[in-house]
Amino acid sequence: QKEVEQDPGPLSVPEGAIVSLNCTYSNSAFQYFMWYRQYSRKGPELLMYTYSSGNKEDGRFTAQVDKSSKYISLFIRDSQPSDSATYLCGLTAGGFKTIFGAGTRLFVKA
Amino acid sequence: DAGVIQSPRHEVTEMGQEVTLRCKPISGHNSLFWYRQTMMRGLELLIYFNNNVPIDDSGMPEDRFSAKMPNASFSTLKIQPSEPRDSAVYFCASSSGTATTNYGYTFGSGTRLTVV
Repeated sequence: QKEVEQDPGPLSVPEGAIVSLNCTYSNSAFQYFMWYRQYSRKGPELLMYTYSSGNKEDGRFTAQVDKSSKYISLFIRDSQPSDSATYLCGLTAGGFKTIFGAGTRLFVKA
Repeated sequence: DAGVIQSPRHEVTEMGQEVTLRCKPISGHNSLFWYRQTMMRGLELLIYFNNNVPIDDSGMPEDRFSAKMPNASFSTLKIQPSEPRDSAVYFCASSSGTATTNYGYTFGSGTRLTVV
């Protein structure tokens, strides 16, 4: 079993839809939870960062962490074609080393 | 800041040749990471440095891979000899995290390596 599981998609939604992206994990030691966005032929860029459990909101993006279920989510409201990218979750037990999910490819249709 | 700078952007080489990938981290970041990304395996951590010292190289696939960080502003990843299965996108990332905190990485644009 992988430490971090993420559905690779692709996920296709119409413009304006609410998008839900998810990861599950097995290591209860993970404390830092991040979401990265990767456009085609580019490096991943940090989108959201959460420590421990709870919600965090930044504009149209909301990150949720449920440590009891070992489940993290990223919600995108009012999705735009410019949101079309691969979204990777990244989890850290502490400090330096981040384990990434496989990434979910998202397509937002105009 | 120009961000994390990697060179070259693309590299095509023949099997058996030596390949050297280069990275300049963000000034002030004390941790540097080399990742490899393929469709099959996703993003895999190869090695990371903290304060120029290699901390964990357990992800380096074979002895053909080596990495150095001679100073805070430069790192190399070398593959010798290269094989077709090494074809991937290699990313360098840096961060200002510590042994107990992680605020995320800044990635470079990657080097797309093709070994024929």
